[in-house]
Amino acid sequence: AQSVTQLGSHVSVSEGALVLLRCNYSSSVPPYLFWYVQYPNQGLQLLLKYTTGATLVKGINGFEAEFKKSETSFHLTKPSAHMSDAAEYFCAVSQNFGNEKLTFGTGTRLTIIP
Amino acid sequence: DSGVTQTPKHLITATGQRVTLRCSPRSGDLSVYWYQQSLDQGLQFLIQYYNGEERAKGNILERFSAQQFPDLHSELNLSSLELGDSALYFCASSVDLDLGTGELFFGEGSRLTVL
Repeated sequence: AQSVTQLGSHVSVSEGALVLLRCNYSSSVPPYLFWYVQYPNQGLQLLLKYTTGATLVKGINGFEAEFKKSETSFHLTKPSAHMSDAAEYFCAVSQNFGNEKLTFGTGTRLTIIP
Repeated sequence: DSGVTQTPKHLITATGQRVTLRCSPRSGDLSVYWYQQSLDQGLQFLIQYYNGEERAKGNILERFSAQQFPDLHSELNLSSLELGDSALYFCASSVDLDLGTGELFFGEGSRLTVL
């Protein structure tokens, strides 16, 4: 069975500070990993994904994540937080590139302090 | 705008009732997924349809059923509703599985409140 664990249900950072949202995964086979963002009253939107190849992946809005197999982690970072980054972020894992039964973490709510 | 349309956006009903949630996927997407988002259980995968056929099943209760029609729109039917069924129900779609990009496109959800 596959799963993801997001450490910290709420994270607050000051505007301009580094954003770090943590995600650890468990998978019996090489995983496909995703970060999705949910803005208030909206559906989820893909930020970035790791499938194969380069372990550092870049996404939209200046976010990036690094796949570390040895640490079973896929943490999301952004060098400088912006007020518009306030949202809920979900890490997800799939064992199939066809996205069958994408398994989501419990989410991390990011608050940006002016 | 993801291109996935869900109706209704909000629905309030009573325990024991039955409701139908509707989803129109992005043009050309063959796969439709249903997810339930609640405060206590997070985002839970319910069921997936691919080109009219059930493809995968998750934590979907027997009181719930879904189908995908020839025009690829999908409906999620929830019956004998209980208070605990109150949640946000998301529909998502994706391209043909064999050419998958690994991305799901989500609708804005249908918020169900059971009183």
